[in-house]
Amino acid sequence: DSGVTQTPKHLITATGQRVTLRCSPRSGDLSVYWYQQSLDQGLQFLIQYYNGEERAKGNILERFSAQQFPDLHSELNLSSLELGDSALYFCASSAQQGARNTEAFFGQGTRLTVV
Amino acid sequence: DAKTTQPNSMESNEEEPVHLPCNHSTISGTDYIHWYRQLPSQGPEYVIHGLTSNVNNRMASLAIAEDRKSSTLILHRATLRDAAVYYCILRRDSNFGNEKLTFGTGTRLTIIP
Repeated sequence: DSGVTQTPKHLITATGQRVTLRCSPRSGDLSVYWYQQSLDQGLQFLIQYYNGEERAKGNILERFSAQQFPDLHSELNLSSLELGDSALYFCASSAQQGARNTEAFFGQGTRLTVV
Repeated sequence: DAKTTQPNSMESNEEEPVHLPCNHSTISGTDYIHWYRQLPSQGPEYVIHGLTSNVNNRMASLAIAEDRKSSTLILHRATLRDAAVYYCILRRDSNFGNEKLTFGTGTRLTIIP
């Protein structure tokens, strides 16, 4: 158990809909990272938050947004869903900014299926 | 992002040592070398990391070349549970938000019983 909790584990929704994925980081971890893993793209970095503020952005679509709340949990919002958004979405947390000398801990992921 | 190069796949016999290579010729002096693995249907899992010296932990050993342009992850006695995709990643300085983990395609390790 990594200590990172993601909910829900599975989500099936229709095209055009909006969903919210939730991540609770390990206790005390201030950084949260979101990744998307699809069959043809591998693990793609989406966005990072540190202590409530956006820290880095990757290949995140404009239809996607995220935030980190004062209790440090994070939510990834996906809207106007398309079939191609079907993927595993992982959240990771690590202890602090400047964390190149520490490990990141990943949740078990949310499997999103858009039909 | 600094690039790493790994073989697409490797096979090893159960209970034998496994050496997983990684090339990172553009590594900078402050980059840490991280290894993660992803078992089927699971999130990535931290294995080990290092800067210059060789490192050991309960899961594996990391051998880093003297010029730091390559490294090798060593699983001392592979089990079937070690079958996974192994990723070698350079983790950079936190300035400009660069400490994110950038995953390549990794090495798919198959363990033969």
